[in-house]
Amino acid sequence: QSALTQPPSVSGSPGQSVTISCTGTSSDIGSYNRVSWYQQPPGTAPKLMIYEVSTRPSGVPDRFSGSKSGSTASLTISGLQAEDEADYYCALYTSSSTSVFGGGTKLTVL
Amino acid sequence: QVQLQQSGPGLVKPSQILSLTCAISGDSVSSNSAAWSWIRQSPSRGLEWLGRTYYRSRWYDDYAVSVKSRITINPDTSKNQFSLQLNSVTPDDTAVYYCARYSTNWYAFDIWGQGTMVTVSS
Repeated sequence: QSALTQPPSVSGSPGQSVTISCTGTSSDIGSYNRVSWYQQPPGTAPKLMIYEVSTRPSGVPDRFSGSKSGSTASLTISGLQAEDEADYYCALYTSSSTSVFGGGTKLTVL
Repeated sequence: QVQLQQSGPGLVKPSQILSLTCAISGDSVSSNSAAWSWIRQSPSRGLEWLGRTYYRSRWYDDYAVSVKSRITINPDTSKNQFSLQLNSVTPDDTAVYYCARYSTNWYAFDIWGQGTMVTVSS
């Protein structure tokens, strides 16, 4: 069982916005900004989309944004496109020098 | 451009050793701003971080509690690669195994290998 909780699935129509949550505790997400987000289309390796809560690596569209409130981090995808359909995972670097992933969220573009 | 190329067998017998290698191009296994990690993915466990090795004046490693008694991750500076060894495997270790670079500047896995499907079966 993941220490980070994500909804199993979300969906949206093209052009809409969707938000995926990642809930931890006050001692992990709530205390540090070491949250990252990954996109994984079927049959491929995960790809880094957001690091340190809200920073996009070069090449990631600005339709992808991250935020945090208390012990919950969120990934928002605006202007949804068919190519965004994938599994999304959050991850956290913990105070015990380990990493943990959320259970993943399947995004369906209707 | 940093790339990671994985190699190793796709089938391992129960109780034997799972061994995978990850060759690094475009970076150094001795980098002071990276930690070289192994992650696996299965339908039952999702993405599971297994451990990492990194160099900060000397070599360090960290491992997940779930596999700590069975795992070793070793750097090979002569070949610029790192390896995973998981002992006493069971069918529960069947998964896609990924190597990844953990950027200690970004606190994120920014480069991933292509993945290796490993099945534990007799």
